[in-house]
Amino acid sequence: QQQVKQSPQSLIVQKGGISIINCAYENTAFDYFPWYQQFPGKGPALLIAIRPDVSEKKEGRFTISFNKSAKQFSLHIMDSQPGDSATYFCAAHQISPGTYKYIFGTGTRLKVLA
Amino acid sequence: DAGVTQSPTHLIKTRGQHVTLRCSPISGHKSVSWYQQVLGQGPQFIFQYYEKEERGRGNFPDRFSARQFPNYSSELNVNALLLGDSALYLCASSLVPYRAGEETQYFGPGTRLLVL
Repeated sequence: QQQVKQSPQSLIVQKGGISIINCAYENTAFDYFPWYQQFPGKGPALLIAIRPDVSEKKEGRFTISFNKSAKQFSLHIMDSQPGDSATYFCAAHQISPGTYKYIFGTGTRLKVLA
Repeated sequence: DAGVTQSPTHLIKTRGQHVTLRCSPISGHKSVSWYQQVLGQGPQFIFQYYEKEERGRGNFPDRFSARQFPNYSSELNVNALLLGDSALYLCASSLVPYRAGEETQYFGPGTRLLVL
């Protein structure tokens, strides 16, 4: 069964520090890798995403690093702020003939201490 | 602009009952996907509909069904509810099912279902 494995399960970081969340996958039929941020009581919201032909993508304080050969990708949050405290999910888009779906990781609960 | 809306926000049912959850996509979006998110887990894909046709189905039993209406809104139906169906049910809308290299789906706030 296709899986996306996410770690760590929870993360505590000091304000101004770097938060790093890792994901690994097995299925090479994935072709797009978004990260979502979810606050309590809300649906997930797209944070940043990357294609497998790109090794790094940066948007503001958020950076995705992608290692295609290792089938791993990670989210780096620079200068972490208390407002970044949320649950983060990595996901992978799978293309099968005639169907489309996203596979999500299990989530990382980030807490940034003031 | 209104985002994805879902109703109801919360729902309590008992085992064996049936439930219908509703989703209205962002105006102009023609594709709707449904996900189940159990507490502490990532969303699990249930269905995707585009132009009123099913385009994707996850590993869920036949008790789960959905449909999309001419106005692109959608319903998720769950029959013979089990305790394990308690979860946050998320709807996501997109303009098209998928466009290579682009993220197109936007999530609603979800419906929290509790089965007693």
